[in-house]
Amino acid sequence: QQQVKQSPQSLIVQKGGISIINCAYENTAFDYFPWYQQFPGKGPALLIAIRPDVSEKKEGRFTISFNKSAKQFSLHIMDSQPGDSATYFCAASIEGNAGNMLTFGGGTRLMVKP
Amino acid sequence: NAGVMQNPRHLVRRRGQEARLRCSPMKGHSHVYWYRQLPEEGLKFMVYLQKENIIDESGMPKERFSAEFPKEGPSILRIQQVVRGDSAAYFCASSPRGGSYEQYFGPGTRLTVT
Repeated sequence: QQQVKQSPQSLIVQKGGISIINCAYENTAFDYFPWYQQFPGKGPALLIAIRPDVSEKKEGRFTISFNKSAKQFSLHIMDSQPGDSATYFCAASIEGNAGNMLTFGGGTRLMVKP
Repeated sequence: NAGVMQNPRHLVRRRGQEARLRCSPMKGHSHVYWYRQLPEEGLKFMVYLQKENIIDESGMPKERFSAEFPKEGPSILRIQQVVRGDSAAYFCASSPRGGSYEQYFGPGTRLTVT
């Protein structure tokens, strides 16, 4: 199974709050899990990524938590700001000579209220 | 260092016409991926190319769609005899080498079929 399931579809958070987006996957061969941020009319931009040999990765206000046994990973945005309002996509890929196409989740539309 | 360039940004075609979408990868990148994003959905992989070679086209419809990445010039995604269901945003991403996880996305081409 190549599917990656993402939830929630939409999220409203107050400024300063924590935004949490969850993803689940089936294929245990996936070994790279990036998160992308997309603003309207723009292409996705890589935000942060994790590999399954670590359970957590933090970059500034963004943290990925990874649970290998549950086949789940999540994005936490601390101190959420109105400028974080965007659509967030989780993704997964498999290293291989044939390339590493990304399998994307369905996206979460985040709105941070001032 | 210029990012991934795509043109046109918006393309309107009538049913039955041809659409040509162009992608110039980042400087020094020789690997290109094409993804399609339907409204309110995540991105779906279409095709992966290296210079002059199609490596994986497992996500591309068998008919009407083709892609190329010539030795000189941009990568081109070609859709013949477009239908309304082809209306979507088409993104290309580039990567510096095979097996490299990081893909950098262009701004996309929004195709509308009337």
